[in-house]
Amino acid sequence: GEDVEQSLFLSVREGDSSVINCTYTDSSSTYLYWYKQEPGAGLQLLTYIFSNMDMKQDQRLTVLLNKKDKHLSLRIADTQTGDSAIYFCAERSGGGNKLTFGTGTQLKVEL
Amino acid sequence: DTGVSQDPRHKITKRGQNVTFRCDPISEHNRLYWYRQTLGQGPEFLTYFQNEAQLEKSRLLSDRFSAERPKGSFSTLEIQRTEQGDSAMYLCASSFSRNTGELFFGEGSRLTVL
Repeated sequence: GEDVEQSLFLSVREGDSSVINCTYTDSSSTYLYWYKQEPGAGLQLLTYIFSNMDMKQDQRLTVLLNKKDKHLSLRIADTQTGDSAIYFCAERSGGGNKLTFGTGTQLKVEL
Repeated sequence: DTGVSQDPRHKITKRGQNVTFRCDPISEHNRLYWYRQTLGQGPEFLTYFQNEAQLEKSRLLSDRFSAERPKGSFSTLEIQRTEQGDSAMYLCASSFSRNTGELFFGEGSRLTVL
């Protein structure tokens, strides 16, 4: 079955790097995604990675995928107060058309 | 604004009443999804459409819930005889079947059942 797990909270200082981790169980996942949700708002797609890649970089964001361990991480460089939000990882399983989301990691950026 | 739009943004109702939410997807997207999100949780899949066909429904979608997408464009999600446990944010998303599968979400419709 599909199950996606994340740690609940992360607190960092402004200017530091943030690393948000995610584990998933479905080895047939084809794509994995990171979404950001600000209070009272919908989900905003940040980035995605295809399962045959192990790294993807997009400006301040770096996604690392360890397919053997079914572990995904999102690194945010030079974290800013505007990055404070809940971050969700999600997987799309092979042959499926829906995304399964983790419980979200609340990132708090302190001055 | 050409993103996914949802209406109403907030709905407060009494237990036992019926409610209906509407979603207008991004115009060129042929897939439309409904998710439910409760406080402190990630979105949970309810159902999805490809064009006007409803292709998958979650076990979460009890018989009090019905979704339609009559012309393959906008969609409605109706909840009959609402219960307090239905209180949640109902999120709509759309995608194009030939892309890499990412979903584009609306701002959500928050339901409060008193």
